[in-house]
Amino acid sequence: TQLLEQSPQFLSIQEGENLTVYCNSSSVFSSLQWYRQEPGEGPVLLVTVVTGGEVKKLKRLTFQFGDARKDSSLHITAAQPGDTGLYLCAQSTFYGGSQGNLIFGKGTKLSVKP
Amino acid sequence: GAGVSQSPSNKVTEKGKDVELRCDPISGHTALYWYRQSLGQGLEFLIYFQGNSAPDKSGLPSDRFSAERTGGSVSTLTIQRTQQEDSAVYLCASSPRRGYEQYFGPGTRLTVT
Repeated sequence: TQLLEQSPQFLSIQEGENLTVYCNSSSVFSSLQWYRQEPGEGPVLLVTVVTGGEVKKLKRLTFQFGDARKDSSLHITAAQPGDTGLYLCAQSTFYGGSQGNLIFGKGTKLSVKP
Repeated sequence: GAGVSQSPSNKVTEKGKDVELRCDPISGHTALYWYRQSLGQGLEFLIYFQGNSAPDKSGLPSDRFSAERTGGSVSTLTIQRTQQEDSAVYLCASSPRRGYEQYFGPGTRLTVT
């Protein structure tokens, strides 16, 4: 059974602080996505990473994919109240020679206070 | 272009009643997913459709839950004899291919009283 764990589960910080959230899998994944979900809305895709060791930047957000393709991190620099939301990682693995369904973690709930 | 739409946005129903939730995926997306999300929790996979293939129903929690996808486009999730534990947000997502990025609708908030 694939397990995708995210940590921390909750994070409350002040505006301007930096933070890192983590996503760890029990299985090697073929690709990993990060989503952000704001209250009352569906998750929105932030980034997809597919190559071991890959680093992607999206403004103040830096996403890193572990060399072993079993872990990923999201670092936010100078957090703002607009970053508040539930951050979900999702992995895809090969199943029967083709892409399987995405498996979602339980998410990190981030609150950035002004 | 238009994103994934869901209706209704909110549904309040009495215990024991049946409900139907609708999802309109992004045009051209062959994969369609239904998830359930309880308050503040992650996503619980319910069912997956891919083109004309038989759906993957492995996530449906009981036989009171069913879904169909007509013409490879619109999907309806039906919950029969609703129970209070069915109260949650039901999210639909579509994707150009299985295992790739998913695009979510805003969800339907179901409250069973």
